[in-house]
Amino acid sequence: KAGVTQTPRYLIKTRGQQVTLSCSPISGHRSVSWYQQTPGQGLQFLFEYFSETQRNKGNFPGRFSGRQFSNSRSEMNVSTLELGDSALYLCATTGRWPDGNTGELFFGEGSRLTVL
Amino acid sequence: GESVGLHLPTLSVQEGDNSIINCAYSNSASDYFIWYKQESGKGPQFIIDIRSNMDKRQGQRVTVLLNKTVKHLSLQIAATQPGDSAVYFCAEKENTDKLIFGTGTRLQVFP
Repeated sequence: KAGVTQTPRYLIKTRGQQVTLSCSPISGHRSVSWYQQTPGQGLQFLFEYFSETQRNKGNFPGRFSGRQFSNSRSEMNVSTLELGDSALYLCATTGRWPDGNTGELFFGEGSRLTVL
Repeated sequence: GESVGLHLPTLSVQEGDNSIINCAYSNSASDYFIWYKQESGKGPQFIIDIRSNMDKRQGQRVTVLLNKTVKHLSLQIAATQPGDSAVYFCAEKENTDKLIFGTGTRLQVFP
């Protein structure tokens, strides 16, 4: 089955603009998490969505937001972009079993954002 | 697309040797640990996981060891191959899908 699909793969924005990134999970996966990867900070958790509800949130400013649709696809948005937002944004999805435990997290290839 | 930073610890091994990558985790309440491999331009790829009620788990050519007393995790790769060259991350999880990643170790395999 198809893996986690992230679009766009690469994009360039200027300071002050906003950006929306998309993630389509593996079929049947209802949990979607977003991570930011930078050389200085490594991989950092942004937020997690399950059944259209945000369940967890990392320590990022309110400029970072997300949502999940009824088909489990997720988007994240960054408003008023800053130079420091340049990063690889990774989406990870997992199935959630009836007992509440989750399975392995599968990552997409990421969206590489460059802010000029 | 580069995947990680400029100042990662690097482990250089000769092809065919065994590799051991170490990781210290932070949360004693974490109950699930995962090793990921990230190649340049790609997202992290699952290698092996272990729950806190175990201290060792083996996969194909890989073994993960967990020492909860000192909050230490290691990944052993047997007969390291050029295709194993990548950055390796450990991650810990506590009851949610929020993963806390280590800083990563770059593995370089030379002939």
